Amino acid sequence: GQNIDQPTEMTATEGAIVQINCTYQTSGFNGLFWYQQHAGEAPTFLSYNVLDGLEEKGRFSSFLSRSKGYSYLLLKELQMKDSASYLCAAPPDKIIFGKGTRLHILP
Amino acid sequence: DGGITQSPKYLFRKEGQNVTLSCEQNLNHDAMYWYRQDPGQGLRLIYYSQIVNDFQKGDIAEGYSVSREKKESFPLTVTSAQKNPTAFYLCASSIEGGETQYFGPGTRLLVL
Repeated sequence: GQNIDQPTEMTATEGAIVQINCTYQTSGFNGLFWYQQHAGEAPTFLSYNVLDGLEEKGRFSSFLSRSKGYSYLLLKELQMKDSASYLCAAPPDKIIFGKGTRLHILP
Repeated sequence: DGGITQSPKYLFRKEGQNVTLSCEQNLNHDAMYWYRQDPGQGLRLIYYSQIVNDFQKGDIAEGYSVSREKKESFPLTVTSAQKNPTAFYLCASSIEGGETQYFGPGTRLLVL
């Protein structure tokens, strides 16, 4: 079967670093996506990993280990605007989304 | 500008009525998707289409129907058979299946 797991909620402090983990089991693998969704809005694309390792994009980085079925999203220098849900998603032919991790940022 | 649009933003429906949600994209994407999102929940796939005149059921297709007569358009009909239709509906498209999806702004459906 296909399954994606990520924590339901996390809390962090403005200026800090937070890591959001995601584990997946899919019948085929064609990369792993991370999306950000602010309350009441549509998800927006953050990153796509298809090879093992860390990919950095400004304050956000995403890591993938295909052998472990594991990914994480790393957010540095947290800002209040980073308060959102972060969705982990994996293909193969259609994308399966995790339930999302609601990140709360405290001043 | 290229993008994906959904209309209306808010939609009210009386119980027992069918209602159709619009989704249009001018990104020249082959694949299109419909998701449902309930409060505090993730995205659940209703239907998806990888090419014109073809579509597949997702995880929660019961009570919904779609058509894909044109590449740009993928309307979703919420039928009276859907017992709990109040939700946030999101349409997305991608170049092809499994690629990065781009989302429309969503339609919030409320059944009265």
